[in-house]
Amino acid sequence: QKEVEQDPGPLSVPEGAIVSLNCTYSNSAFQYFMWYRQYSRKGPELLMYTYSSGNKEDGRFTAQVDKSSKYISLFIRDSQPSDSATYLCAPTPTGANNLFFGTGTRLTVIP
Amino acid sequence: EAQVTQNPRYLITVTGKKLTVTCSQNMNHEYMSWYRQDPGLGLRQIYYSMNVEVTDKGDVPEGYKVSRKEKRNFPLILESPSPNQTSLYFCARSPAGQTYEQYFGPGTRLTVT
Repeated sequence: QKEVEQDPGPLSVPEGAIVSLNCTYSNSAFQYFMWYRQYSRKGPELLMYTYSSGNKEDGRFTAQVDKSSKYISLFIRDSQPSDSATYLCAPTPTGANNLFFGTGTRLTVIP
Repeated sequence: EAQVTQNPRYLITVTGKKLTVTCSQNMNHEYMSWYRQDPGLGLRQIYYSMNVEVTDKGDVPEGYKVSRKEKRNFPLILESPSPNQTSLYFCARSPAGQTYEQYFGPGTRLTVT
């Protein structure tokens, strides 16, 4: 079993839709939960991260972590065509030297 | 502007011909890392460096070497490339103590025939 599981999609939604992207994980030691966005032919860019459980909001993006169920979510409100990208979850324990990436979910927002 | 630069961006080579992919950062960050990205497998760490002259293996180090002689540079060396090293490679940087917050370069697409 992989430490981080992520549905690869692809996911297509109309502009303005609310998007929900999810990951599950198995390692109870994970404390930091990152979301990266990767546009085609580009490197991943850090979108946002949360520490431990709870929610964090940044503009149209909300990251949510439920440690009891080992479930990570990223919500995008009022999705835009510019949000079309691959989204990667990447949890990690405190003090770790690497990130444990999911395989990414490819999102397309249709105008 | 904070940057991670990689060179070359694209490379096609033949089996066994030694190559080096350079990585350079301008933020004076202590931590640097190399990942490879393959379809269905995601990003996997090859090597990382916590500081000058301090390097360690990641999850998939076989067939790769690195060096960290100065803080800004972290080259990835393939002494004898093989076709299974055909992949998309990313270098990343991070400030000390914040390795959860990594910033990636633009990637190097390597094809080994």
